[in-house]
Amino acid sequence: DVKVTQSSRYLVKRTGEKVFLECVQDMDHENMFWYRQDPGLGLRLIYFSYDVKMKEKGDIPEGYSVSREKKERFSLILESASTNQTSMYLCASSLLDLLLLQEYRDTENYGYTFGSGTRLTVV
Amino acid sequence: SQQGEEDPQALSIQEGENATMNCSYKTSINNLQWYRQNSGRGLVHLILIRSNEREKHSGRLRVTLDTSKKSSSLLITASRAADTASYFCASTDSWGKLQFGAGTQVVVTP
Repeated sequence: DVKVTQSSRYLVKRTGEKVFLECVQDMDHENMFWYRQDPGLGLRLIYFSYDVKMKEKGDIPEGYSVSREKKERFSLILESASTNQTSMYLCASSLLDLLLLQEYRDTENYGYTFGSGTRLTVV
Repeated sequence: SQQGEEDPQALSIQEGENATMNCSYKTSINNLQWYRQNSGRGLVHLILIRSNEREKHSGRLRVTLDTSKKSSSLLITASRAADTASYFCASTDSWGKLQFGAGTQVVVTP
């Protein structure tokens, strides 16, 4: 019953390496998101995508890039990993037009669907 | 910047007691959502309340929303040890993006 899959649960990389974090969803959602989660800071949005080949910067995009070549897959790329990128990375997906949900009655339990997370350590 | 801020940061209660946590946000919202996260795992959506709603129930969960005060509360009634987790509020802006707070850690002891 897995709906959003992140390829790795734990990852250890060296400073300066290029790192790819993969996320795949099987719900045909248009929106996909990458967050990082750090103690005391909650979740912070890195990048998001509303459609294939579209990407938008979130609140903390520096040092990251993304790729959305197919609707179901959203990749987060650390161009040159640094120790301050050690964190828990969470991928999520959602339907496209959340504004339309105001009109829908069957959204009693709607929300983002998250993957299990990837804990990345950069040494 | 954090849109939602939860209060308290941590809560320790005994089984059977109610757990109440609050959330404040800064800007206008489309809706507000509450999520739960077990240690080291992803987030699970619990409940959504629209900006034109004031209260919502789902099982043992009760959520209120006061848009004039830009605040929401989550009440878990008759708590169980399995409710031990971190709880996050998240507000949705007009683009559908979620902004999360830092969360409330809830520990329910048997």
